[in-house]
Amino acid sequence: QVQLQESGPGLVRPSETLSLICTVSGGSISSSSYYWGWIRQPPGKGLEWIGSIYYGGSTYNNPSLKSRVTISVDTPKNQLSLKLSSVTAADTAVYYCARGSWDRYYFDYWGQGTLVTVSS
Amino acid sequence: QTVVTQEPSFSVSPGGTVTLTCGLSSGSVSASYYPSWYQQTPGQAPRTLIYSTNTRSSGVPDRFSGSILGNKAALTITGAQADDESDYYCVLYMGSGISVFGGGTKLTVL
Repeated sequence: QVQLQESGPGLVRPSETLSLICTVSGGSISSSSYYWGWIRQPPGKGLEWIGSIYYGGSTYNNPSLKSRVTISVDTPKNQLSLKLSSVTAADTAVYYCARGSWDRYYFDYWGQGTLVTVSS
Repeated sequence: QTVVTQEPSFSVSPGGTVTLTCGLSSGSVSASYYPSWYQQTPGQAPRTLIYSTNTRSSGVPDRFSGSILGNKAALTITGAQADDESDYYCVLYMGSGISVFGGGTKLTVL
């Protein structure tokens, strides 16, 4: 059974960089059958796709987040990471990592999510 | 930017049938958008219900079904139960690695 677990600081100062890790167990993050994504949910609002990383390292980000997003994979550690720069209060959200099925383009396994608050 | 549209809210009686839809601000939804559906209850991570328009994820009851209705993707719940009261999100794959979530539908069972 694949499991994903997000971790990282729960509080980030405005203008700084939000950094999160997603640790994957029960499956290899380097499998060519899957891609990996980050999704967030501001309090009381809907889900928003942040970006995804595919086998081979290609990354795709939500255009609304412009160039603030960096997604990478650490294969030896079986971890996915997210960096979001120049954060503001609008980036306060629960952040989820998820596994995507590359030929069906849907997320089949999700982490439990971690709340990140942007505040001074 | 393309907007994926969903009804903000819907209500259904216990045992009833409800169809939630997922459309595009411009254009029609087809199977080539690989519509998927997720259920989320407060404080929980989303649960995958349907992918590739109409394939149920493992363990999902067959009262949940997906389809294309007209120019939208649709999620139909037949014989709604109290614990179906949740938020439902659709996702469309736009190509080039881009996925877009709909705004979600809050379903009330009463």
